[in-house]
Parts: sequence; C-alpha cells; structure tokens
Amino acid sequence: NAGVMQNPRHLVRRRGQEARLRCSPMKGHSHVYWYRQLPEEGLKFMVYLQKENIIDESGMPKERFSAEFPKEGPSILRIQQVVRGDSAAYFCASSPRTGGELFFGEGSRLTVL
Amino acid sequence: TQLLEQSPQFLSIQEGENLTVYCNSSSVFSSLQWYRQEPGEGPVLLVTVVTGGEVKKLKRLTFQFGDARKDSSLHITAAQPGDTGLYLCAGDQGGSEKLVFGKGTKLTVNP
Repeated sequence: NAGVMQNPRHLVRRRGQEARLRCSPMKGHSHVYWYRQLPEEGLKFMVYLQKENIIDESGMPKERFSAEFPKEGPSILRIQQVVRGDSAAYFCASSPRTGGELFFGEGSRLTVL
Repeated sequence: TQLLEQSPQFLSIQEGENLTVYCNSSSVFSSLQWYRQEPGEGPVLLVTVVTGGEVKKLKRLTFQFGDARKDSSLHITAAQPGDTGLYLCAGDQGGSEKLVFGKGTKLTVNP
C-alpha cells in the first residue's frame, strides 16, 4: 500500500544542466499535481495532469519547464538549463478523482550550484 | 499578493498551552483544507471544511470555516511536542483543480 513515491529525494545540478524529477502516484490514482515550495513559502501550483494529458499548466514557467504523465510509468517534471532560482522542493500529489483528497509525496529537493 | 494569509507566521509555546492559528482571505472558497508538514516530508491532510460556519474536531484540534467561507481557524488544545510542524491552509476556489496554499504557521511546542 505504497504512498506517492518521488525520486530522487535530493538532486544537485550545476547551472545549465537538466533536472528530471519522477513521481509515481498512489495505486489507482490517475490525477497528478506538481507543486513547488521555496524556503519560508507555501506551495505553489505548477501543473495538473491526468494520464497522457496536461489539464492545467498555468502555474508552470513557459520556458525550460515541462511535465508529462505517460500511459505507462511515472509522471516526470523536467527542468532544462537549470538556474539557481530553480532550487526548491518539488512536491507531487495524486488523487483518485477530480476534487478528491490530495496525497503528497515526500518531495524532491533540487539544489542548483 | 498572497491570496491566503496565515498568522502568526511563527509560534513557539510550552507543552500544555492552547493556541489558535488563522487563515484569512478576501476571496471566497468552495472548500478549505488544513495540512501539517514536518521537516523533510510532504504535507499531510488534516481536514477539509466545506460549509460556511462548519466546525470539525479531530481529537485536540478544532477547525472552523468562516460563515462567508473566506477564512478559517485551527485551535489546538493542550498542545504536545508531537504537534510541532508547519500548518498550511489551502483553498479551492471551485471550477479549478489547483489548490492555493498559504505560507503556513510554523509551530514549535516545547516540552
């Protein structure tokens, strides 16, 4: 009965490199959300996906960031050409249905040197 | 501007004391949720309030949703060190799947 699984838990990248963060939702959950949390800040919505579809990406920067949730496999948040300002904790949450309770993973902490 | 304002930002109390933290907005929410987040972990849902004026109790925690569905409070009775954590409120404005989070209240309960 695994919860939302995120990996890696910690990721260090140099400026200009790519970061890939993975999220496996809870079993039976087809709705995935990505949030970003900066120190001393609340969680900021980035993107909401269902299997193979991006439903709402209004919180995601237009450049360098992309997300997918393929038919098979985990959801992936991809950040290209990372900059220091991308350093944050990235949380994934899943839900079994629209408007359902969100279950959060433990987060992936990205540090950009 | 922050859509959901939480206060106080930090709170440090002794074990056994009571406390109340607040979540305020000028916007109406169809529902409001409270989460607790511990260091290095993801947020864990405590409660969802939906109806204006609603009061929900979870052991020593009492949650209230304002009559106008713009604000909420969390009251903890006889706080314990295990209550230490970051308390986040999050609102659902309806018609959207994205929750809006406040910055949280960081609570420390000293033994």
